[in-house]
Amino acid sequence: AQRVTQPEKLLSVFKGAPVELKCNYSYSGSPELFWYVQYSRQRLQLLLRHISRESIKGFTADLNKGETSFHLKKPFAQEEDSAMYYCALSGSARQLTFGSGTQLTVLP
Amino acid sequence: DADVTQTPRNRITKTGKRIMLECSQTKGHDRMYWYRQDPGLGLRLIYYSFDVKDINKGEISDGYSVSRQAQAKFSLSLESAIPNQTALYFCATSERMAGGELFFGEGSRLTVL
Repeated sequence: AQRVTQPEKLLSVFKGAPVELKCNYSYSGSPELFWYVQYSRQRLQLLLRHISRESIKGFTADLNKGETSFHLKKPFAQEEDSAMYYCALSGSARQLTFGSGTQLTVLP
Repeated sequence: DADVTQTPRNRITKTGKRIMLECSQTKGHDRMYWYRQDPGLGLRLIYYSFDVKDINKGEISDGYSVSRQAQAKFSLSLESAIPNQTALYFCATSERMAGGELFFGEGSRLTVL
């Protein structure tokens, strides 16, 4: 079975502060991990995936297999980063399992 | 971006009624999915289809059925709606070898009274 846990339902930070959204997973094989984002009045969309090792909109995420984590980080949060963020895992069945989501609010 | 279109966008119905949510896509993707979103629970997979003849149950398929009428169309039915099926429903598509990138519709908000 595969499972994704996002321990924070709500997270608030001030503009310019660092932000970290936590994601932990359980999966017996080699997972593929993703972060999806849903901005207000927009569709849910892919933000980044661990295999790409890319930075999107200043966000990065590193897969830590030892800690089974895939935390999303940004050094300086912006107000436009306010959104719902979902961590997701793709296992052998090629289905995506989503976490419960974290609502990020960046305060001015 | 109207690549994945869901209808209706909003629906209010009564307990026991049959409801169909429809999804159509112009992306040419083989794979289609239905998820429901509930506050605090995130997105949970109801059904998924890898092609027209391949339909699979997801995590929470009880009380739901689906039909893949064509590559571009995937419908979700609630044969006898109940209040705890009140939720936001999302259709999504992906390419065969996409490795996890899903393209979502705008969602269908269903309220069962």
